[in-house]
Amino acid sequence: KNQVEQSPQSLIILEGKNCTLQCNYTVSPFSNLRWYKQDTGRGPVSLTIMTFSENTKSNGRYTATLDADTKQSSLHITASQLSDSASYICVVSGYGNNRLAFGKGNQVVVIP
Amino acid sequence: DAGVIQSPRHEVTEMGQEVTLRCKPISGHNSLFWYRQTMMRGLELLIYFNNNVPIDDSGMPEDRFSAKMPNASFSTLKIQPSEPRDSAVYFCASSGGGGRMNTEAFFGQGTRLTVV
Repeated sequence: KNQVEQSPQSLIILEGKNCTLQCNYTVSPFSNLRWYKQDTGRGPVSLTIMTFSENTKSNGRYTATLDADTKQSSLHITASQLSDSASYICVVSGYGNNRLAFGKGNQVVVIP
Repeated sequence: DAGVIQSPRHEVTEMGQEVTLRCKPISGHNSLFWYRQTMMRGLELLIYFNNNVPIDDSGMPEDRFSAKMPNASFSTLKIQPSEPRDSAVYFCASSGGGGRMNTEAFFGQGTRLTVV
């Protein structure tokens, strides 16, 4: 079983609407969690990185939350734009073992 | 800085041929990572280097895969012989975190490999 599960696998939203992506993980002990945005044909670009003590972090219209107790994270996109169409990948780092666990991504399509 | 530079962007080769993918990390970064991405498996870490030394190659799928980093500004990932199941996008990333995985990695544009 994958250590990082993302949902929904894909979604389509209207331009201007909000959406929330989910990431559940089992990595333990936990070090940090990152959300990456990957445009089609490009490499992933980091949006946020959150450590154990952080509950929320924003990057423009992107807001990530983390509940280390339930091992859940979400990425909220506010007032979506066409340029938000991309795959959003959740990556979890384990503490002390220097390994990364990757989710398979949430594919977001924003339509006008 | 131009970012992480990978070449070629696209590679189509016949099964059994040798394939070499190249990466130039961001100047000053001391960690370099090779990833493979497919629809089925998502992103997978193949190997990473710290200060040109391979630290963890447990993600390398089999002996047909090898990676080298002869100096701080260049790395290669070689597949010999290539097989159709190797078809994927291969990403190189670099970071300045000294090998720690909790520092941000910057990705190249990737090499799309197709083995026919």
